[in-house]
This record gives sequence, structure tokens and C-alpha cells, in this order.
Amino acid sequence: ELQLVESGGGLVPPGGSLRLSCAASAFTVSGSYVNWVRQAPGQGLEWVSIIYTGGDTYYADSVRGRFTISRHNSENTVYLQMNSLRPEDTAVYYCTRYRDAYNSDGFDIWGQGTVVIVSS
Amino acid sequence: DIQMTQSPSSVSASVGDRVTITCRASQGISYWLAWYQQKPGKAPKLLVHAASSLQSGVPSRFSGSGSGTNFTLTISSLQPEDFATYYCQQAHSFPFTFGPGTKVDIK
Repeated sequence: ELQLVESGGGLVPPGGSLRLSCAASAFTVSGSYVNWVRQAPGQGLEWVSIIYTGGDTYYADSVRGRFTISRHNSENTVYLQMNSLRPEDTAVYYCTRYRDAYNSDGFDIWGQGTVVIVSS
Repeated sequence: DIQMTQSPSSVSASVGDRVTITCRASQGISYWLAWYQQKPGKAPKLLVHAASSLQSGVPSRFSGSGSGTNFTLTISSLQPEDFATYYCQQAHSFPFTFGPGTKVDIK
């Protein structure tokens, strides 16, 4: 079954760091375009970052310079390293596959989400 | 950045009703638009990609149309399992952006 499973969320004080993991099953992250999307409590969806098959990465303005997306092919896992966290980063973080970034294919597989709370 | 707007922000409808949701982009995005359904406490689910292509496994009562800046998602006959929040999203250029959502609830 095609699946993404996130982990690594938790409670962290402002200014702290956290690394989220997104493990894929039944497909390879190296051959996919994987995004992080977040949703603050009671709010809508916000795109955070994407890593392309070739390794190119892109970020939302709100996280650029603080968050880093990366990929470990042998573990079939994508990571989101989050530094200098702010209370406004509090959200459910989803990883999601963009089936083909060179066609308008949409985000077809989503994980269950992991909760990040930034608070003292 | 491309801004996405949706209307209405919420709609109350009955089972069997036809529901239409509109999404507008602040600049032309060709067909680079997707629609998602989200139920409380769950991850979003892809319904439509490339503005009008139905995702595999999605019931045919859902349809999408439009190109450029104006798009619609139509549910031809609302079913009980369709009560949810719907989001449009553009993938034409970075940063990818979502609309604010349209909540469909029971009249």
C-alpha cells in the first residue's frame, strides 16, 4: 500500500529545534516529489517545502532560512529540520507526495500528520 | 505570490443538492490547479488535479472545470459523506498556495 508516515512532532520552546521524519512505503522518495504542508489549529492549509527528485528544494517565505528539507534514499525517508521555531509554527505537519511536478498531478498521497507545538 | 480565493466560505446544503464552489487565482495559472477534501481530524484527500481530471477512485459526482484564473468544483448530488471542507491549490509557481477553504455542512 502506498503510504507516508510522519513522526518527530512534539512540544518545543520558542527558539528550539525539531526534526520531522516522513517514511514512505511502496514507492521511493528518491523517485518522487515530496512536500511538507502544515495546518495551524482551526486554520487552512499552508504549503511549507518541496524536494524534487533531482534534489532541488523550495520553501515558503515564512520558513526559508529556518527549515531545511532533505532526503535519505536508503532509509526511504524525507526529513524537515526546523530551527529557530516560533509560536506561529504550531501546526499539524503533513508530508505529501506530488506525483509528477512537471504535470499538474496534485498531491496524491498524504501522511496522517504529526503535531508540533511551539510554546514555553 | 499567487493568491487563491474561494467562494463561498461556507455553504449549507441538503443531501441530493448540487453544490458549486468557485476558486480564483490572482494571476493566470493555466490548468495548474487541484481540489482537496478534508474531514475533521483527517489529512486532505485529492479529488481533482489539472483543473478537471478526476483522481482515481473519486466518485463521478465530483467534477472540476476552468483554466487561467477561474475554476469551479461541482458536486452534482451531495451525499452524506461529502460534508467536509474543500480547498483549491495552485502548483503553477512557488510558493504553492491554497485557498482559504469552503466548508460544506448540513442544512
